[in-house]
Amino acid sequence: GQNIDQPTEMTATEGAIVQINCTYQTSGFNGLFWYQQHAGEAPTFLSYNVLDGLEEKGRFSSFLSRSKGYSYLLLKELQMKDSASYLCAVLDSNYQLIWGAGTKLIIKP
Amino acid sequence: DTAVSQTPKYLVTQMGNDKSIKCEQNLGHDTMYWYKQDSKKFLKIMFSYNNKELIINETVPNRFSPKSPDKAHLNLHINSLELGDSAVYFCASSQGGSFAGESSEQYFGPGTRLTVT
Repeated sequence: GQNIDQPTEMTATEGAIVQINCTYQTSGFNGLFWYQQHAGEAPTFLSYNVLDGLEEKGRFSSFLSRSKGYSYLLLKELQMKDSASYLCAVLDSNYQLIWGAGTKLIIKP
Repeated sequence: DTAVSQTPKYLVTQMGNDKSIKCEQNLGHDTMYWYKQDSKKFLKIMFSYNNKELIINETVPNRFSPKSPDKAHLNLHINSLELGDSAVYFCASSQGGSFAGESSEQYFGPGTRLTVT
């Protein structure tokens, strides 16, 4: 079967750095997405990785290792507004988007 | 301007009723989707649709049916509502459909919170 694993919940301190991991086992791979979802709101796109390596966008970076079936989202200089769920999703060989259950990130002052 | 809009935002109804949720996107995207997010916050794809193909998640009961009057709209009709249908339903759209890699970035509507009593 297809599976995407993320930690259920993480806690970090304002101003710090946090890394949210995602591992996947899917039938094929055509890219990996990270989305942010604040409570009661819709998911919004953060990043897309299809090649190995690190993609940086401001305070957020996303890393991919296809051989390991592994990705992480790195958030720097954490702000209170970063408190949200972070969803990992993989495009499989049929170009279907498989979603993880999300990681709830709690930021403390 | 709202990119992907849904109505209603909240819907409370009784078991056995039939209801529809409307979705419109003004992004000119080719593909639209419906998702169900339950109390555990897990996003589950229900349908993806463009003007060529409807892909149905086989786990979705046939009480659920998508209806697309045109490229910019994909409505969700639900027959004989059940308690387990209570959830937040998200509509989404993407430019190139799932085949287009990064262009398959999806834009989500604000969600419709459905409560079945």
